[in-house]
Amino acid sequence: QKEVEQNSGPLSVPEGAIASLNCTYSDRGSQSFFWYRQYSGKSPELIMSIYSNGDKEDGRFTAQLNKASQYVSLLIRDSQPSDSATYLCAPGSARQLTFGSGTQLTVLP
Amino acid sequence: DGGITQSPKYLFRKEGQNVTLSCEQNLNHDAMYWYRQDPGQGLRLIYYSQIVNDFQKGDIAEGYSVSREKKESFPLTVTSAQKNPTAFYLCASKRAGDYEQYFGPGTRLTVT
Repeated sequence: QKEVEQNSGPLSVPEGAIASLNCTYSDRGSQSFFWYRQYSGKSPELIMSIYSNGDKEDGRFTAQLNKASQYVSLLIRDSQPSDSATYLCAPGSARQLTFGSGTQLTVLP
Repeated sequence: DGGITQSPKYLFRKEGQNVTLSCEQNLNHDAMYWYRQDPGQGLRLIYYSQIVNDFQKGDIAEGYSVSREKKESFPLTVTSAQKNPTAFYLCASKRAGDYEQYFGPGTRLTVT
């Protein structure tokens, strides 16, 4: 059984702060790692992908991957109230992804 | 506009009735997926299809059925055998060889 664990939260940060979201996974064969953002009542939206160890930056978002530790994280710099959502971690392969239960983030104005 | 459409947005059914959820994409994607999401939980894979006329069971296929007669369409039938059908159902698709999956807006099914 492939497992994906995320800190369930809720996580609250003040506006302008850095939000740190963590994820561990059990399947060592995972080749791709994604972060999806899901607003309440809406479908998931892909915001970051990472495939190799290290950091990947895209605007205010940075994804970090450590395959040896089976760990992936998402940092959100200069957090905004519009970042308030549930963030889903999804490692997997070209065939399928396995989703974590998500971390609920609230950015306080 | 290119995208994935799911209809209807909300669906209400009586217990014991089969119901079919629609998923259509015009992105020319090869693979399509159906997920179920329950409150406070992640997405669980029901069925997926890599090519037309072929599909595989996911982790929770019992009580569900699918077909893939056209590349653009992947309807999901929730049968009366599904014990807890009330949930948010999400369809996704991707290109062959790619890893990224993209989601439709979802259908919220309520069975009473």
